Amino acid sequence: SAVISQKPSRDICQRGTSLTIQCQVDSQVTMMFWYRQQPGQSLTLIATANQGSEATYESGFVIDKFPISRPNLTFSTLTVSNMSPEDSSIYLCSVAFAYEQYFGPGTRLTVT
Amino acid sequence: KQEVTQIPAALSVPEGENLVLNCSFTDSAIYNLQWFRQDPGKGLTSLLLIQSSQREQTSGRLNASLDKSSGRSTLYIAASQPGDSATYLCAVFYTGGGNKLTFGTGTQLKVEL
Repeated sequence: SAVISQKPSRDICQRGTSLTIQCQVDSQVTMMFWYRQQPGQSLTLIATANQGSEATYESGFVIDKFPISRPNLTFSTLTVSNMSPEDSSIYLCSVAFAYEQYFGPGTRLTVT
Repeated sequence: KQEVTQIPAALSVPEGENLVLNCSFTDSAIYNLQWFRQDPGKGLTSLLLIQSSQREQTSGRLNASLDKSSGRSTLYIAASQPGDSATYLCAVFYTGGGNKLTFGTGTQLKVEL
């Protein structure tokens, strides 16, 4: 299993600004995943972050809007850039061990 | 493309009742299926993982079954308690998914005193 922490747990941000979310895992993992959960919706995968290579983005998500860093095997960041109210969501990071997936507590973002 | 559907979308039951949550998926070529619980505004807690070769998994009052050929899974909760109130999500990890999960739409459960 894995213990995942995220910072910040929540934030209220102004339109047009950027927020960087941090994700820390207590074990070394090859892949880390970033998800978005819009209000009342299920989870949607934003991108997969591999250590030492560029993140792989899902359809509808682009690097300029959601840049990701993966400096080592236990840490990743997701930046939500040039925010608009439509970016108000819960952002979750996740890792997989033997195809079982574990999630962090999430970052609740509100954009005003 | 894999699509995962959960029925019902919402459910309200009295305390003590046994209940069944349903999950269906369109592509049966899956590695596994996972059930999660999500409390309001929080992250996801993994409840049960069923490998594609398994038929069911049990943990305490929870029992999850998998019928891969028909593309269905059920989560059975025995003797429900108010603390079981949460949203329950199923997700499949499938061959065509490129090492990622596809989530269902969720069932919001409320267990009333």
